Amino acid sequence: AQSVTQLDSHVSVSEGTPVLLRCNYSSSYSPSLFWYVQHPNKGLQLLLKYTSAATLVKGINGFEAEFKKSETSFHLTKPSAHMSDAAEYFCVGGFQKLVFGTGTRLLVSP
Amino acid sequence: GAVVSQHPSRVICKSGTSVKIECRSLDFQATTMFWYRQFPKQSLMLMATSNEGSKATYEQGVEKDKFLINHASLTLSTLTVTSAHPEDSSFYICSAPYGATEAFFGQGTRLTVV
Repeated sequence: AQSVTQLDSHVSVSEGTPVLLRCNYSSSYSPSLFWYVQHPNKGLQLLLKYTSAATLVKGINGFEAEFKKSETSFHLTKPSAHMSDAAEYFCVGGFQKLVFGTGTRLLVSP
Repeated sequence: GAVVSQHPSRVICKSGTSVKIECRSLDFQATTMFWYRQFPKQSLMLMATSNEGSKATYEQGVEKDKFLINHASLTLSTLTVTSAHPEDSSFYICSAPYGATEAFFGQGTRLTVV
């Protein structure tokens, strides 16, 4: 069965510093992997997706993620955090029926 | 990109009443839609898979008689929370698959049962 594990429930960074949100997956086959962002009381917005075309995936708002099969990881990064990046981030796996990680709350301080 | 519209975005109802939530794919057809529930500070959990023209498939532990799902057309799925109780208060969100590898989400519905 597929599972997605987000290693950190909270990540705190200062504005302008790099962001790293960690995600590991388990699957018996190469999965589709996604990162979604959820701002307070809002729906989900797709940041980026991996579908086996390229291991380094660039998304919106300067985010990117690298699929590493040897490490079964799909960590989300951004070189420089902005205050508006503060939100809940979900690593998601699967095809049409999605499996959500538990989420990582990103806090950005001035 | 494709759009999924969910309505209402927020609803407060009295205990014992029923609430209907609509999920529409605005510019594409969706033979399948998914309904998720998110409790405060928790992740999203799949409740059920809505299938156009046939019965919904419910995940283990989800009461099908309490959460009625109707997928009457290729663009509309509805979730009705029947005889709502305070413990049903949650954030409900739908998604519709688009192509083989993508899903679009509705804006979500925050249900508060008082």
